[in-house]
Amino acid sequence: KNEVEQSPQNLTAQEGEFITINCSYSVGISALHWLQQHPGGGIVSLFMLSSGKKKHGRLIATINIQEKHSSLHITASHPRDSAVYICAVDTSGSRLTFGEGTQLTVNP
Amino acid sequence: DSGVTQTPKHLITATGQRVTLRCSPRSGDLSVYWYQQSLDQGLQFLIQYYNGEERAKGNILERFSAQQFPDLHSELNLSSLELGDSALYFCASSVDIGGTQYFGPGTRLLVL
Repeated sequence: KNEVEQSPQNLTAQEGEFITINCSYSVGISALHWLQQHPGGGIVSLFMLSSGKKKHGRLIATINIQEKHSSLHITASHPRDSAVYICAVDTSGSRLTFGEGTQLTVNP
Repeated sequence: DSGVTQTPKHLITATGQRVTLRCSPRSGDLSVYWYQQSLDQGLQFLIQYYNGEERAKGNILERFSAQQFPDLHSELNLSSLELGDSALYFCASSVDIGGTQYFGPGTRLLVL
């Protein structure tokens, strides 16, 4: 079993829909990261969380440390949100362990 | 633009060869991380340097080595290349250990 599990693997939505991507992990962590990988391959860091909730524009990330679970929400989704979203956990302040990613496609 | 630069962008080479990938971190960042992204393994942590010293090691093969120089740029050396080494190699940097990581654009390596 992977240390970091994401669901769903693939997600197709219509423009304007509310989207949730889930991440569960099985190890103790110092922080959890949400990353976005564009079709061209570039990776952007969206959030780093160690507790609670963070919001940036239409993106919201939450984490429940006790349940070892995090969610990434996108409100009012747009075709430009189409990308792979990757959850990664930091177990030691140094090394990230990555989930397999969620491929999101938002249709106009 | 994250401020992290990587060269070259693309590299095509033959099995058995040696290549060097270069990374310049964001100004002021002391930590540099190297990651490999292949189709079958996904993203994997290779190695981390902090202020010139090796800080953590992940799934890095013995054929691979890295270093961070006094000006904080880093190089990843891949030798005796095999077909399976074909992948995207990312460098990331952060101000300190464990902070938000800023990723470079990656080097796409193809071993023929």
